[in-house]
Amino acid sequence: DTAVSQTPKYLVTQMGNDKSIKCEQNLGHDTMYWYKQDSKKFLKIMFSYNNKELIINETVPNRFSPKSPDKAHLNLHINSLELGDSAVYFCASSHLLAGGTDTQYFGPGTRLTVL
Amino acid sequence: LAKTTQPISMDSYEGQEVNITCSHNNIATNDYITWYQQFPSQGPRFIIQGYKTKVTNEVASLFIPADRKSSTLSLPRVSLSDTAVYYCLVGPVEDYGQNFVFGPGTRLSVLP
Repeated sequence: DTAVSQTPKYLVTQMGNDKSIKCEQNLGHDTMYWYKQDSKKFLKIMFSYNNKELIINETVPNRFSPKSPDKAHLNLHINSLELGDSAVYFCASSHLLAGGTDTQYFGPGTRLTVL
Repeated sequence: LAKTTQPISMDSYEGQEVNITCSHNNIATNDYITWYQQFPSQGPRFIIQGYKTKVTNEVASLFIPADRKSSTLSLPRVSLSDTAVYYCLVGPVEDYGQNFVFGPGTRLSVLP
């Protein structure tokens, strides 16, 4: 009964390949996110979806394309992978706390290594 | 966007109380303060959130002074398993992550 799950956990691939990372949440949340955590451990938001609509699209190369088939899923497709794409990618979902801001629940992460 | 400043690292011993302070001098009126914890090879985990004064849950306490320009996360009687990176974030209601900027956080090492 994992809340936010991602597959695969590890992904090793060659430069130039196209790959996808899947994310699913069973919390009934309306908002989902993708974050990238680089080797320096900085966690940066890439995309945010609310009710299947794109809310945030930070300065991310258009080789990265999120796809949300339904509210419980937000997949990340990456085309023409580059060495600099190597990082840990986290999916998250959120709900609004009563009287507060969104609280995010993170998945276990996908470690992407581009060779 | 409220910028936050935290110590890069802290050391503590088991059983001690740990206080991690976060500065957010330009916090906006509708910003909340949220703390996350991240263990190695895991995603961040929500710890606590507050707007003003004091908030306490089963994990930690959050102290926010009247001017809200800083906040202090208090972890009572830490154990080795509390070794992690702790992030302080500020952001408004329903921002859908627009202001969820994770800084470098504070790396807490709990020693036996």
